[in-house]
Amino acid sequence: SQTIHQWPATLVQPVGSPLSLECTVEGTSNPNLYWYRQAAGRGLQLLFYSVGIGQISSEVPQNLSASRPQDRQFILSSKKLLLSDSGFYLCAWSVREANEQFFGPGTRLTVL
Amino acid sequence: AQSVTQPDIHITVSEGASLELRCNYSYGATPYLFWYVQSPGQGLQLLLKYFSGDTLVQGIKGFEAEFKRSQSSFNLRKPTVHWSDAAEYFCAVGFFGNEKLTFGTGTRLTIIP
Repeated sequence: SQTIHQWPATLVQPVGSPLSLECTVEGTSNPNLYWYRQAAGRGLQLLFYSVGIGQISSEVPQNLSASRPQDRQFILSSKKLLLSDSGFYLCAWSVREANEQFFGPGTRLTVL
Repeated sequence: AQSVTQPDIHITVSEGASLELRCNYSYGATPYLFWYVQSPGQGLQLLLKYFSGDTLVQGIKGFEAEFKRSQSSFNLRKPTVHWSDAAEYFCAVGFFGNEKLTFGTGTRLTIIP
């Protein structure tokens, strides 16, 4: 069966510090991968998605970037965090021919 | 572009009562439709999905949803809610050939004794 992992589970970082969140998927090949952010009390905002290694689509211009160095690894990064980057970050995957997405447990990021 | 509307931000239901959460979408073709549930501090779990065929879809945890093309709706129902159903519920829409889903803003469900 397929599983999706995210780490760390929680993170507290000062403003201006770098960020690296990692997401890995097991049990499937060539998945589509997605990064979402949930601000407090708000819905899901799609940040990036990837249909293959090195292929990244950005949905919202911002302080963040994403990379996919391996087939089942998706990384969300920032060189300098802003207060507005605080939120709950969710990674998801889907099979290419289907639309249903499967979500990881999330990372709670607090920028102080 | 497609859009999803969940008109109810917060719903309170008594335990044992029935539940209906509303979802409306805007899109020209027949969409793929999904309902997800999110418990506090956790990821989203897929409750059910509609791709084609029977418009009444059964999901996990006793939930069902009905696709009504004439109303552009995909409402989620449960005949008897339990305290464990308290969570945030998201409706989502996608379509063939597009790799993305569009999510509604969510409905927070509170269960009272």
